[in-house]
Amino acid sequence: QKEVEQNSGPLSVPEGAIASLNCTYSDRGSQSFFWYRQYSGKSPELIMSIYSNGDKEDGRFTAQLNKASQYVSLLIRDSQPSDSATYLCAAALRGYQKVTFGTGTKLQVIP
Amino acid sequence: EAGVTQFPSHSVIEKGQTVTLRCDPISGHDNLYWYRRVMGKEIKFLLHFVKESKQDESGMPNNRFLAERTGGTYSTLKVQPAELEDSGVYFCASSPRGTGNSPLHFGNGTRLTVT
Repeated sequence: QKEVEQNSGPLSVPEGAIASLNCTYSDRGSQSFFWYRQYSGKSPELIMSIYSNGDKEDGRFTAQLNKASQYVSLLIRDSQPSDSATYLCAAALRGYQKVTFGTGTKLQVIP
Repeated sequence: EAGVTQFPSHSVIEKGQTVTLRCDPISGHDNLYWYRRVMGKEIKFLLHFVKESKQDESGMPNNRFLAERTGGTYSTLKVQPAELEDSGVYFCASSPRGTGNSPLHFGNGTRLTVT
């Protein structure tokens, strides 16, 4: 079993729709969770971090964490073509030590 | 503020040769990490420096890999001798002092191809 699992996609959504990206993790000791966005050939860029159960909103992005279900999600509202990228879910036992990544979900926003 | 810089961006070498990758973290960042992404797989942790000390090297695949961070500034990752399975993208990341929730800043990676 992978430590962090994501559907590889691609996930295609029309422009203006809500994109929903999901992730599960296996280590119940994980305390920190992150979503990174990676454009082709570029470095991963942190877009959201979440540490406690519930929702965390930042602009068009909402991260959701459910530790009981070991589930993390990212919602992107009003999706734009520029949101097309690979989204990496990641978890760490403590802070940013030894972050474990999923394989990423490729998102395509269709104009 | 300059970001994390990695050199070279691409490297193609033959099996058995040696390659050295370099990472310049953001100035003042004590934490430096090496990660690797093999084709089709997830990005995997290799090791973590705090200044010049290796904090965690549990992700290093074998003794053909040697990482150094002399003086606590830039870091090098040497692969000697390289094998075919070492091909992938090697990322470096840095973060400020402390073990709190400082975000990782990634470089653009070095794409290594071993033929």
